[in-house]
Amino acid sequence: DGGITQSPKYLFRKEGQNVTLSCEQNLNHDAMYWYRQDPGQGLRLIYYSQIVNDFQKGDIAEGYSVSREKKESFPLTVTSAQKNPTAFYLCASTFPGLAGVEQFFGPGTRLTVL
Amino acid sequence: EDQVTQSPEALRLQEGESSSLNCSYTVSGLRGLFWYRQDPGKGPEFLFTLYSAGEEKEKERLKATLTKKESFLHITAPKPEDSATYLCAVQSTYNQGGKLIFGQGTELSVKP
Repeated sequence: DGGITQSPKYLFRKEGQNVTLSCEQNLNHDAMYWYRQDPGQGLRLIYYSQIVNDFQKGDIAEGYSVSREKKESFPLTVTSAQKNPTAFYLCASTFPGLAGVEQFFGPGTRLTVL
Repeated sequence: EDQVTQSPEALRLQEGESSSLNCSYTVSGLRGLFWYRQDPGKGPEFLFTLYSAGEEKEKERLKATLTKKESFLHITAPKPEDSATYLCAVQSTYNQGGKLIFGQGTELSVKP
């Protein structure tokens, strides 16, 4: 079955630690995205990538980093510079060149800072 | 600046009580307006894409409509299993990379 997988489902971070969230897709999509969701708020874009080895900052990129070494994978690192990282993180993918094509979402990772 | 506002923030209905959710948007050229359903602790699930004013799409008890300034998600005779957060998003003709701008969502609760 085609889809997007995210791991882990739950992640706990201590102050000062970097943590990496995994996102893998087998939909052959060119573009991948990372969003952050806080209670009562919509999804906010952190980073996105349209092709391998290229990515762009979204609206809230500070304190985060990404890589896109393979088409199927787009890991997100939450660094110690991110002051309030507790949130629900969602990965998505799509074909960006097609007009109005929806983004498909993974199941999410809930990150909690201890 | 592209912007999406959803109302109400929360909606409580009795089973069978029809209602509508609103999504108001401003965008520099609409490439598509998207509706998603999100259950607690899960990723959003795609429902509809609307492309131009006057367009309508239906799926079971849900019907989405679009004007030049807003979209409505009509829920007819809802059931408890329709309880979820409904998200609206727009894609602009002028933004690159297929980015979506999301509203804050409407949390729908349907009581039996």
